[in-house]
Amino acid sequence: AQSVTQPDIHITVSEGASLELRCNYSYGATPYLFWYVQSPGQGLQLLLKYFSGDTLVQGIKGFEAEFKRSQSSFNLRKPSVHWSDAAEYFCAVSNDMRFGAGTRLTVKP
Amino acid sequence: EAQVTQNPRYLITVTGKKLTVTCSQNMNHEYMSWYRQDPGLGLRQIYYSMNVEVTDKGDVPEGYKVSRKEKRNFPLILESPSPNQTSLYFCASSLDRGVGGYTFGSGTRLTVV
Repeated sequence: AQSVTQPDIHITVSEGASLELRCNYSYGATPYLFWYVQSPGQGLQLLLKYFSGDTLVQGIKGFEAEFKRSQSSFNLRKPSVHWSDAAEYFCAVSNDMRFGAGTRLTVKP
Repeated sequence: EAQVTQNPRYLITVTGKKLTVTCSQNMNHEYMSWYRQDPGLGLRQIYYSMNVEVTDKGDVPEGYKVSRKEKRNFPLILESPSPNQTSLYFCASSLDRGVGGYTFGSGTRLTVV
């Protein structure tokens, strides 16, 4: 069965610091991969998606993610975090959208 | 504006009192889905629909019903709510069964006392 794991429940970074959120998946073939962001009191917004091709994908709000087949990972990165990035981030796999448990990001001033 | 609209945003009800959470999308999407979000568990799929009159169970369908009589609407029905259905619920839609990603509603926070 497809599954997705986000190992970090909560991450705190300082404003301006770099960010990496981890996502590992378990699936027989390369699934479609997604990252979503949920701001407090809001629904989920699609940040970026990977289907095939270039393993480094760019998304909205300055985020990028890298697909690594050998590690079954799809980690989300941002070079410099802004206070407005504080939110919960969800990794999802495949076209029936199975979600990880989420990583809550806190940004320190 | 392309969107998924859920109502109500907040709902407090008593055990056993039937309720319906509405979901409507204006993007002519064929695929719609309901999720519940609980702390530490992420989003879990309740039911989904691939088209009008086609619905199927997700991972946690017990205690819920859905219907898809029109393409734009996909209501979630709790015939006899129980406290363990207290949760945050999201409706989502997609043109192509999620391949291009979902558009989510703003959520419905349900409390069953």
